[in-house]
Amino acid sequence: EAQVTQNPRYLITVTGKKLTVTCSQNMNHEYMSWYRQDPGLGLRQIYYSMNVEVTDKGDVPEGYKVSRKEKRNFPLILESPSPNQTSLYFCASSQWGSPSQETQYFGPGTRLLVL
Amino acid sequence: AQKITQTQPGMFVQEKEAVTLDCTYDTSDQSYGLFWYKQPSSGEMIFLIYQGSYDEQNATEGRYSLNFQKARKSANLVISASQLGDSAMYFCAMRETVGSNYQLIWGAGTKLIIKP
Repeated sequence: EAQVTQNPRYLITVTGKKLTVTCSQNMNHEYMSWYRQDPGLGLRQIYYSMNVEVTDKGDVPEGYKVSRKEKRNFPLILESPSPNQTSLYFCASSQWGSPSQETQYFGPGTRLLVL
Repeated sequence: AQKITQTQPGMFVQEKEAVTLDCTYDTSDQSYGLFWYKQPSSGEMIFLIYQGSYDEQNATEGRYSLNFQKARKSANLVISASQLGDSAMYFCAMRETVGSNYQLIWGAGTKLIIKP
């Protein structure tokens, strides 16, 4: 089954404790992206990756890191989480090519609470 | 400046009626794409429909259609014969080219509630 998986689905942590949210897709997509969703703000892009070893900042990259060592995986790293990073996080992937192929497929989301 | 505007924070619609969710966008790109996604209370994001800027026909997917008016820069989602299961948040998004890359820009969403 074609899918994007994220782990963990729910996470409660404390300020300053490093954490990683994993993201994996099995569709051989080149493009992967991380978003955060906050009430009234829609989705805002954190980082994206066009392919292996190619990553770039989105609209709200501060406090986050990513890596893309393999095509299927795109982990999101919070080196020193703060309460303002409490949010719902989505990983997404899509084919890179003609516009009709650029539909993004989303993971189930990770709810993060930073105390 | 807002690039995707969804002017309806919330809507109530009677079951079986058609509903139109508004979306206007702002871009200077000639080539762009417009998407609608549904987010039920369970939280997942579900792709509904896509419209390319060069597509001459309005996109349709089952009960969903996209009313694309390029000159007005609007891309409204029309749901025919609404069902209780259509109650959800709906997001409009635009693929925008940024240099040699692209990203999706999202609206703030519309909360749709279908009344029995």
